Order: sequence, then structure tokens, then C-alpha cells
Amino acid sequence: AQSVTQLDSHVSVSEGTPVLLRCNYSSSYSPSLFWYVQHPNKGLQLLLKYTSAATLVKGINGFEAEFKKSETSFHLTKPSAHMSDAAEYFCVVSEMNRDDKIIFGKGTRLHILP
Amino acid sequence: DSGVTQTPKHLITATGQRVTLRCSPRSGDLSVYWYQQSLDQGLQFLIQYYNGEERAKGNILERFSAQQFPDLHSELNLSSLELGDSALYFCASSVAGLAGGLGEQFFGPGTRLTVL
Repeated sequence: AQSVTQLDSHVSVSEGTPVLLRCNYSSSYSPSLFWYVQHPNKGLQLLLKYTSAATLVKGINGFEAEFKKSETSFHLTKPSAHMSDAAEYFCVVSEMNRDDKIIFGKGTRLHILP
Repeated sequence: DSGVTQTPKHLITATGQRVTLRCSPRSGDLSVYWYQQSLDQGLQFLIQYYNGEERAKGNILERFSAQQFPDLHSELNLSSLELGDSALYFCASSVAGLAGGLGEQFFGPGTRLTVL
């Protein structure tokens, strides 16, 4: 069965410094992995997705994530945080062509300090 | 704006009641997904419909049901409501039937349900 763990419920970084949001997953098959962002009182927006192509995935707004099968990780990074990045981030795993369950992590709230 | 619309935006009702939440997917999208987001449970996948047929089921209670109509809009019916059903309910749509590998999901703004 698949599962996803976001290792930090809150992360605080200063504006202009790097961002690292950690995600570990468990999957019996070839998973698809996603990162979504949710700004306050808004729906979710896709940042990036991994579907067994390149292991380094570039997304919107300067975010990227690296799929590491040996570490079962899919951490989200950004070289330089911006105030507008303050939001909640969700790591999502889904198994292709299996039971199509979609599992969301519990979310990481990113705080940007001025 | 994702192109997915949900009505109503807010809903306040009493325990034991029944409500219907409505979702209109983006033009051209055949799949609709329903999610529940609450403080204690986080974001949970409830159910997916693809072109009118149920495609995948998540943690949906028996008191809840959904359907997708020929015009592809979807409704989520919640009955015998309990206090714990208070949550934000999101609808999302995508072009393809499989959420995993094909296309992204576009989320609506959500319906906030409060059960008193």
C-alpha cells in the first residue's frame, strides 16, 4: 500500500534563503509523485509532478524536486524564498494503473521571515 | 482561477441533515475528484468519477455519495450529518481518468461545510 510522510509540519526560512520541504513515500509499484501548494483560503495548485521520466523535476515559481528511489524521497526545494511562497505544501503519491488511490501528506506550512 | 467551480461557497447546517455540494469541472475535463480537508484528518481523497462512471474510491463514508451527470458536473451528497463532517470539501478535475500518470488535477475553491 502506498503512503506519504511529510517530515516537517512547519518550516520557517528567511526571504532570499533556500527552501527544503521533505517528503518520503512508500509504494509497492512505480509511483507518481506530486507537490501541490495551497495558499490561504484557496484551492490547491500543482507545483510539479514526477511520472518516471527525469528524476529531477522542475516546477512553477522556481521550485524543483528530485525523485530518489533508493531513499524513497521526493523533497521539494527552491534556491531563494520569496514572501509569496508562504503557503501550505502537500506531497502526493499515486500508483499508476493500480487502484488509483491518491494519498496526500499531512502538509508542511512554509513561513517566510522578512 | 482554475476553471473549476464549486457551489455553495459556505454551508451551515445541523446534525442529522442532508446537503448537496456541486462541482463543475473545467471545460473538456472528464474526471472529477472529491476531497475532504479537515484539521484532524488532513486532506483525504473521497471519490473519483470519469465520464459519468465511478472510477476510484478513497475514504468515503457510506453516508456520503456522489454522481457525475451527462454534462459532467458532479454532486456530492452528505447525509445524516455529524459534527465531525465539518470540513472544507474540494472538487478537482482532470482531462484523463488516471490521476497518477496523466495530466494534473485542477482544484476548485472549495465548499466550507459547518455542521452545528
